[in-house]
Amino acid sequence: QVQLLESGGGVVQPGRSLRLSCAASGFTFNTYGMQWVRQAPGKGLEWVAVIWFDGGNEYYADSVRGRFTISRDNSKNTLYLQMSSLRAEDTAVYYCARSLASYGLGSGLDSWGQGTLVTVSS
Amino acid sequence: EIVMTQSPATLSVSPGERATLSCRASQSVSKDLAWYQQKPGQAPRLVISGASTRATGFPARFSGSGSGTEFTLTISSLQSEDVAVYYCQQFNNWPLTFGGGTKVEI
Repeated sequence: QVQLLESGGGVVQPGRSLRLSCAASGFTFNTYGMQWVRQAPGKGLEWVAVIWFDGGNEYYADSVRGRFTISRDNSKNTLYLQMSSLRAEDTAVYYCARSLASYGLGSGLDSWGQGTLVTVSS
Repeated sequence: EIVMTQSPATLSVSPGERATLSCRASQSVSKDLAWYQQKPGQAPRLVISGASTRATGFPARFSGSGSGTEFTLTISSLQSEDVAVYYCQQFNNWPLTFGGGTKVEI
């Protein structure tokens, strides 16, 4: 079955960097677009970024563009989110999710990891 | 950015009754809309894609409708296991955006 396992979360000081990973299994990773979605404590869902199946294109939310970079290593079935210049408002549970589409806007996120908590605090 | 607005914020429904959740887009998103269910302490699950296609594992009491700017998720006969927060998300334009959610309670 499809499994997505995030790791790399933790407590980090404002202005510092952190890299999240998402290990995928149970499906052909290199044929699916992948996304990151976050959820601040007690709040709703916020879309963060998407990367196409071959890594050929990426899109970001305005709130993270220029600070976050999504990438993937299809040889390792792993998705990444490199986060820099972190702010208190980046504190959230970060989910990786599989897109129904290989590329483009897609039509839904059909599998989600359990999430990893990032806390930005001094 | 397309703003997604969900209403009501909280919906209280008796078991066996119908629950109707609304999602409105600030501009047309055609049928490029998905619904998710999130139970406490869990990751979201896809319920509906393409505005009306039910995802695997969800019973027929869940249905989606609408196009353009107005969308509805209907739970025809609410069961206790349906208690959750439901989110809509548009896939028509970047950036992808979620609604604020509707909490469904018994």
